[in-house]
Amino acid sequence: DTEVTQTPKHLVMGMTNKKSLKCEQHMGHRAMYWYKQKAKKPPELMFVYSYEKLSINESVPSRFSPECPNSSLLNLHLHALQPEDSALYLCASSQYALAGPNEQFFGPGTRLTVL
Amino acid sequence: SQQGEEDPQALSIQEGENATMNCSYKTSINNLQWYRQNSGRGLVHLILIRSNEREKHSGRLRVTLDTSKKSSSLLITASRAADTASYFCATDAEAGGTSYGKLTFGQGTILTVHP
Repeated sequence: DTEVTQTPKHLVMGMTNKKSLKCEQHMGHRAMYWYKQKAKKPPELMFVYSYEKLSINESVPSRFSPECPNSSLLNLHLHALQPEDSALYLCASSQYALAGPNEQFFGPGTRLTVL
Repeated sequence: SQQGEEDPQALSIQEGENATMNCSYKTSINNLQWYRQNSGRGLVHLILIRSNEREKHSGRLRVTLDTSKKSSSLLITASRAADTASYFCATDAEAGGTSYGKLTFGQGTILTVHP
């Protein structure tokens, strides 16, 4: 199984809502990533988990809260978002984060709209 | 600042023609990768070239890397309409032989292949 799955595909939420994005991989990868991508822009790294521990936080606002319950799952908890947070949120995984070439496998993304 | 810059921003060709995209970056790298993204979907890894390699092939893809000029190019030969997508280079920066553990993406080239 060489697939990264993400749910939901689309999410519309108000600024006072709390929601979560989910990501799953069964490739035995030990590194997982969250990216944010605005239209016609490249993906921007948000968080990196390596061996289920947060290793990189790219100064992301605290209204985004990542969680890695186990080596296959990655969540992104959303609370009190702003309309400018509307974007495509991509999850990715790679065999390792810090050792060896880290070819990344991406999920299809969650299209988030904040009203 | 963004590690990778790409040109052209957009490229429009006819089926059967070759497409060349260029990427420049600013710091020392461990490796450079190319990804494809179909409209609004996840990224697909195409090819990885290590810092000690100069050229790599994969099917209709040919990637070159010139670390002295901090640049790379992606050549797609005999293009097909299905190659229509955005193409991103991504650099895995390093210092002292150790990867930072994250990819930084270039701005991307939008390739349109007309049937």
